[in-house]
Amino acid sequence: DTAVSQTPKYLVTQMGNDKSIKCEQNLGHDTMYWYKQDSKKFLKIMFSYNNKELIINETVPNRFSPKSPDKAHLNLHINSLELGDSAVYFCASSPHTGDSGANVLTFGAGSRLTVL
Amino acid sequence: QQQVKQSPQSLIVQKGGIPIINCAYENTAFDYFPWYQQFPGKGPALLIAIRPDVSEKKEGRFTISFNKSAKQFSLHIMDSQPGDSATYFCAAGFGGATNKLIFGTGTLLAVQP
Repeated sequence: DTAVSQTPKYLVTQMGNDKSIKCEQNLGHDTMYWYKQDSKKFLKIMFSYNNKELIINETVPNRFSPKSPDKAHLNLHINSLELGDSAVYFCASSPHTGDSGANVLTFGAGSRLTVL
Repeated sequence: QQQVKQSPQSLIVQKGGIPIINCAYENTAFDYFPWYQQFPGKGPALLIAIRPDVSEKKEGRFTISFNKSAKQFSLHIMDSQPGDSATYFCAAGFGGATNKLIFGTGTLLAVQP
């Protein structure tokens, strides 16, 4: 039923560990995104994939590596976790028509990462 | 140039009041201006959106006013209800090969009964 689902919903881990967040969408959308929401609720785009191809890569440390095995899935792997990585990570998807108005983002419920 | 400035940071109104949230942008290449609503523990969801060729759009109790020359747009919520209490984000986007949305910093709205 859920259009964009991401797991896990909560993740608590120690500094230096490696962790992954998985995302799947069943909307048939071509484009998937990862957004980071910090403690002040600021939403910042990290990555965007269109049909498994990376199209947006904002200034994100290379400890973050997205992987899109197919257009319905976009996973986020984070190496050597740091305290500042603590945030809520949102996966989103949208159709990709080139028309900005058609690209309505559908967000997942978020994955809250806490690095101790 | 890709920033979207949003104010106020938080807002408290009484039930039935009309909260107004304002946003401003610099990049005139933006051609799509949505508002997203986020409830605690949930992802943001599209509320209403406008293109720069119209000055106002209304959907139910929600209205966007758009001033192209001033590069500003705002969200008005008529007859606000406690269920409208949420964080509201304005955003600006452009199409083409790299569709992306730039979000404002968010406004936490509390509607008191």
